[in-house]
Amino acid sequence: DTGVSQDPRHKITKRGQNVTFRCDPISEHNRLYWYRQTLGQGPEFLTYFQNEAQLEKSRLLSDRFSAERPKGSFSTLEIQRTEQGDSAMYLCASSPQDRGLVNGYTFGSGTRLTVV
Amino acid sequence: ILNVEQSPQSLHVQEGDSTNFTCSFPSSNFYALHWYRWETAKSPEALFVMTLNGDEKKKGRISATLNTKEGYSYLYIKGSQPEDSATYLCASLWGTSYGKLTFGQGTILTVHP
Repeated sequence: DTGVSQDPRHKITKRGQNVTFRCDPISEHNRLYWYRQTLGQGPEFLTYFQNEAQLEKSRLLSDRFSAERPKGSFSTLEIQRTEQGDSAMYLCASSPQDRGLVNGYTFGSGTRLTVV
Repeated sequence: ILNVEQSPQSLHVQEGDSTNFTCSFPSSNFYALHWYRWETAKSPEALFVMTLNGDEKKKGRISATLNTKEGYSYLYIKGSQPEDSATYLCASLWGTSYGKLTFGQGTILTVHP
């Protein structure tokens, strides 16, 4: 296993377009998390899954955002009708059932979204 | 609202200097504290996870302490090297938040040769 993979690494889109990001977690990890980081801030929680169930969503996640994790493997994060304020680094992380208490979370390298 | 605060926001040191950063968090219902190192163009890497008051952990030249009663953690780097240059993030997990790490804004460390 090569760790958490995110695709694409960079995405430039025009305002109003829809975008979708993919995250492939470590295969043995049943928890998967999405975070968003803007300049000068720490990562902000968006949502997390345990297997295929989405257990918590942040109020930051407006109705333009949707995340799925079919079959409890990879996850997708879709943003509809993108706005310039959506420009950020989108990070995915995974952990085992222990909530990362032993080794922490394993993060991907992120997807950098720029909305023009 | 549960906030995690880190200080300083940025730090410039010379190679060989020792340095430390602070992470403050609400202590009520505390569950765990994570430290991550995030180098440019790479993914955040877990350094330590601490849960117990008085915990001290060490990895090479880097160590961390935890005080859950007063709600703070210190990260120490002894004899800083240029390769230590990175953003250092702390994040807290509370008993009510199940899967949601709350991050501080990070400390950007630059070590000059």
